[in-house]
Amino acid sequence: RKEVEQDPGPFNVPEGATVAFNCTYSNSASQSFFWYRQDCRKEPKLLMSVYSSGNEDGRFTAQLNRASQYISLLIRDSKLSDSATYLCVVNGRRGSSNTGKLIFGQGTTLQVKP
Amino acid sequence: DAGVTQSPTHLIKTRGQQVTLRCSPKSGHDTVSWYQQALGQGPQFIFQYYEEEERQRGNFPDRFSGHQFPNYSSELNVNALLLGDSALYLCASSLLGEGTDTQYFGPGTRLTVL
Repeated sequence: RKEVEQDPGPFNVPEGATVAFNCTYSNSASQSFFWYRQDCRKEPKLLMSVYSSGNEDGRFTAQLNRASQYISLLIRDSKLSDSATYLCVVNGRRGSSNTGKLIFGQGTTLQVKP
Repeated sequence: DAGVTQSPTHLIKTRGQQVTLRCSPKSGHDTVSWYQQALGQGPQFIFQYYEEEERQRGNFPDRFSGHQFPNYSSELNVNALLLGDSALYLCASSLLGEGTDTQYFGPGTRLTVL
C-alpha cells in the first residue's frame, strides 16, 4: 500500500463548479499535512496546510479526519486558472519525531473548462 | 526576498556519467531537502541536509550523495547515471525548528539521461 494515496483523475469540470479531492495516508502518527499545487513542468507550490479543525483560504477548504486518516480539498467556484495537479502531502514520522521527509501522493489532475 | 534557486535548469547526460546539481535555499532557511520526480508521479524524498550533515535519507542507492555548505547551499551528486535517473530534481528549503515542516521548492533541474 502506498503511504499517501490519491485518485489521479483527471477531473474535468466546468468553470464555476465545486470539486473535491480526497487523499488517504497510512501512518497514523503523521502530524503535518499539506496540499501543494503543481503546474505543468513547474515546481510544487504550497497551497495550504491542513489542520484538524479544518481551514479555509478563499475558495479553498481543507479538512483532516485523523480517525479515518483522510484529507480533503474542496475548491468552490472553479476558475480556469485552477487547472493544475494537486498533491496531497504528509510528513514522515520516526517514533515521536518528524523526520523532515515529506511524503507525496501521486497527485490529482484538475482541468477546468470554459 | 530571494526564493529557492537551482542550477542548471536542464541537463543532458549519457549513461555512466556523473552529474552535480546545485541549490540555494530561501533567505533565512537552514535546511535543504532533495526530491526526485518522475513523469506522472509525486516527488520522492532523496535526503535532507542540516548543519552540513545528512539528517534523513530516503530509499535511494549510494550513487546519490549530497553536501551542504556553511552558507546553507547544497549539492546533489549522482554517479554512474542510469536511464531511470531521468527526472525532475527538486530542492526544497525550510527552517528547522519552525515546527511546521513547511518546505518551499525551487524550480527544479530537469535531467535527461540518454
